[in-house]
Amino acid sequence: DVKVTQSSRYLVKRTGEKVFLECVQDMDHENMFWYRQDPGLGLRLIYFSYDVKMKEKGDIPEGYSVSREKKERFSLILESASTNQTSMYLCASTSQGVVADTQYFGPGTRLTVL
Amino acid sequence: GEDVEQSLFLSVREGDSSVINCTYTDSSSTYLYWYKQEPGAGLQLLTYIFSNMDMKQDQRLTVLLNKKDKHLSLRIADTQTGDSAIYFCAEIPRDSGYALNFGKGTSLLVTP
Repeated sequence: DVKVTQSSRYLVKRTGEKVFLECVQDMDHENMFWYRQDPGLGLRLIYFSYDVKMKEKGDIPEGYSVSREKKERFSLILESASTNQTSMYLCASTSQGVVADTQYFGPGTRLTVL
Repeated sequence: GEDVEQSLFLSVREGDSSVINCTYTDSSSTYLYWYKQEPGAGLQLLTYIFSNMDMKQDQRLTVLLNKKDKHLSLRIADTQTGDSAIYFCAEIPRDSGYALNFGKGTSLLVTP
């Protein structure tokens, strides 16, 4: 079974702090994604990566950056956290070889910025 | 991206059928998906349909696809209280790099 893990289930940070959210997948997938989920807005794509050291902006990249130094790990970075970044963050991965291009999701990190 | 449209809430009685509707945006999407999110959990792929199919049945789940209208529906037969969750419709638009474009989710409440 594919496993996508995220470093924390819950995180509380202060405004202005630098925040790292880590995601690791164990199935050698090329593609990894970061989404944020907010009530009434559904899931919105922040960034994705289709290879090591490659990254592409999604729909809402402002205030975020990412790092993909190893194939299995995709990090989301909030350089200076703000209260409007309080949200649920979901990581996902997929591969061209996966049936129906299925994406596998981690359990999510609920981030609160005070 | 453009919006995938879903109604936000649906309430049904246990044992009834539930139908969740979705209108997607990209007629060239190869697959269309339904994801389920239970309270406090991540997203779980429930089912998917290939774009050249009209219908797919998987136990209590039936997916109907109308490509002309870009309309997707999920029917859950004999709905149980354990089916209470948020259901997301999703597509992978061409040129999205495998990134999913989600609807806002339909909260299904099943009452005894």
